Amino acid sequence: GAGVSQSPRYKVAKRGQDVALRCDPISGHVSLFWYQQALGQGPEFLTYFQNEAQLDKSGLPSDRFFAERPEGSVSTLKIQRTQQEDSAVYLCASRLAGAYNEQFFGPGTRLTVL
Amino acid sequence: LAKTTQPISMDSYEGQEVNITCSHNNIATNDYITWYQQFPSQGPRFIIQGYKTKVTNEVASLFIPADRKSSTLSLPRVSLSDTAVYYCLVGERPGANSKLTFGKGITLSVRP
Repeated sequence: GAGVSQSPRYKVAKRGQDVALRCDPISGHVSLFWYQQALGQGPEFLTYFQNEAQLDKSGLPSDRFFAERPEGSVSTLKIQRTQQEDSAVYLCASRLAGAYNEQFFGPGTRLTVL
Repeated sequence: LAKTTQPISMDSYEGQEVNITCSHNNIATNDYITWYQQFPSQGPRFIIQGYKTKVTNEVASLFIPADRKSSTLSLPRVSLSDTAVYYCLVGERPGANSKLTFGKGITLSVRP
């Protein structure tokens, strides 16, 4: 079956450019998470949506990072005025509502800021 | 204070049983232990979750001693395709709004 998809898979940006990363969760999954994974590190939480509501954005590193999920399905992570330290893999995960369900991750978008 | 501690890496050979340990000395009463696997260029994948004693599924077994300060992920008869990073996570049993907190994980290398 279809899993979580992300696009683009790879993105190269010049410092100062804005980028938008897309996540298509598994159909019917209410919860959606974004994580950032630096090279050699585990993923770190950025933000969480339940349907269209952004319930936790405590992990967003700065106000240059913005996420939305306007219709409760597809989500976009936007990074404004990219910096070199933003270079990382950005992972999206979705989960069914309710307890005990694991998160299903997409393949990630590798962002390189030059 | 780190919630979990794992070795950085370990090696194994095809066909062997592999036991990967994780320390979580400060585990709380409500915390569960979850293991994820990550292959290069892919997102993490859930393997198994447990609270105490032993849990087994079609992929792995999870052993948790009575004091719950450590856990061991057991992979039976590994193959080359089991080469990956394995993450041990400790946290409240995931509800709909629970974020995952990963450490650095352990890199398992399976050799022919």
